[in-house]
Amino acid sequence: QKEVEQNSGPLSVPEGAIASLNCTYSDRGSQSFFWYRQYSGKSPELIMSIYSNGDKEDGRFTAQLNKASQYVSLLIRDSQPSDSATYLCAVYFSGSARQLTFGSGTQLTVLP
Amino acid sequence: EAGVAQSPRYKIIEKRQSVAFWCNPISGHATLYWYQQILGQGPKLLIQFQNNGVVDDSQLPKDRFSAERLKGVDSTLKIQPAKLEDSAVYLCASSRTGNEKLFFGSGTQLSVL
Repeated sequence: QKEVEQNSGPLSVPEGAIASLNCTYSDRGSQSFFWYRQYSGKSPELIMSIYSNGDKEDGRFTAQLNKASQYVSLLIRDSQPSDSATYLCAVYFSGSARQLTFGSGTQLTVLP
Repeated sequence: EAGVAQSPRYKIIEKRQSVAFWCNPISGHATLYWYQQILGQGPKLLIQFQNNGVVDDSQLPKDRFSAERLKGVDSTLKIQPAKLEDSAVYLCASSRTGNEKLFFGSGTQLSVL
């Protein structure tokens, strides 16, 4: 069973703090990893993709990937109330049918 | 570039009725996905098309759900008969190939009473 697990929420952080979101996945052969943000009542939107071990930074967002530990994380620096949303980790599992599998999401609230 | 188009935006039906959702992907995107998202959960893949062929439908409840993508462009997802547990948001997404980021439509919120 190929699974994507995210740390249980909800997560609350004060404005300006660093929010840390974590995700583990079951398929060691996975190569592509994504973080989507979903506002309440809206569709998921891609905020980060990462394919290689290490860190990838984009503005206030940093994705971290450790394939040996089967772990991917998202850091949000200088968190803003507008970052309040559900963050979904998604993984392309290896195999003949490359389906994008989502975790259950972590709800983040940034308190003003 | 136009995004993924979905309709209707909302649908309310009674159990045992049938319902259909429509999706038009981004032009040139070969891969089309239908996801089901139940409140409080992540999206669950129902079916994945590559052009007009099915790549994966292992999680599609085939006794009641069907989907088609004729001519490899737009797609229709049908539920017949609907059950209470089918209440969810049905998301259509597309990607250029089968290994890239997905672009989502606005979704159809289905309520089965």
